[in-house]
Amino acid sequence: DGGITQSPKYLFRKEGQNVTLSCEQNLNHDAMYWYRQDPGQGLRLIYYSQIVNDFQKGDIAEGYSVSREKKESFPLTVTSAQKNPTAFYLCASSRTGASTEAFFGQGTRLTVV
Amino acid sequence: AQSVTQPDIHITVSEGASLELRCNYSYGATPYLFWYVQSPGQGLQLLLKYFSGDTLVQGIKGFEAEFKRSQSSFNLRKPSVHWSDAAEYFCAVGARDQGAQKLVFGQGTRLTINP
Repeated sequence: DGGITQSPKYLFRKEGQNVTLSCEQNLNHDAMYWYRQDPGQGLRLIYYSQIVNDFQKGDIAEGYSVSREKKESFPLTVTSAQKNPTAFYLCASSRTGASTEAFFGQGTRLTVV
Repeated sequence: AQSVTQPDIHITVSEGASLELRCNYSYGATPYLFWYVQSPGQGLQLLLKYFSGDTLVQGIKGFEAEFKRSQSSFNLRKPSVHWSDAAEYFCAVGARDQGAQKLVFGQGTRLTINP
């Protein structure tokens, strides 16, 4: 079945450590996105990519980094510079164009301990 | 800048009652509008979308939404809710930013169903 796979579902990290969240899609979509979700704040855009080897900062990119070496993959690294990394992270993909809907993965819940 | 406002953080309705979730958007051009639903700890699922044409759009699970340009609104409705409709609902606008597409989401409305 086509879809978006995020792994792991739950992730724990110690303060000061970098951690990478995986996102893979087999929908042949050009565009991919990372959102952060906190209670009462909706979804906030971290990074997005419209094509391989290119990506743009979203509204809350500080403390995060991404790469887009393959069309199918868009990993997100949460660095030690992110002040408050505990959150639910959602990856999405879509065809390009503002009129196309995004398809979402099941999310990764990151907890800093 | 594009923005979406969902005025109601939490709504409680009885099973079988009608439902309306409010959404207001701010966008200078023709908006592309979406409603998504999220069950706890899960990803988002698309309920319906509006691009152009008929301002009343039908979605999955018996939901519909009406686009009103004069009010900058895209409210979601359902005639009779079921206990399984309890979830969080997000309204979003599709926007182009420096040539790239992105979705801007509202804060979400959490729906609770009373038996």
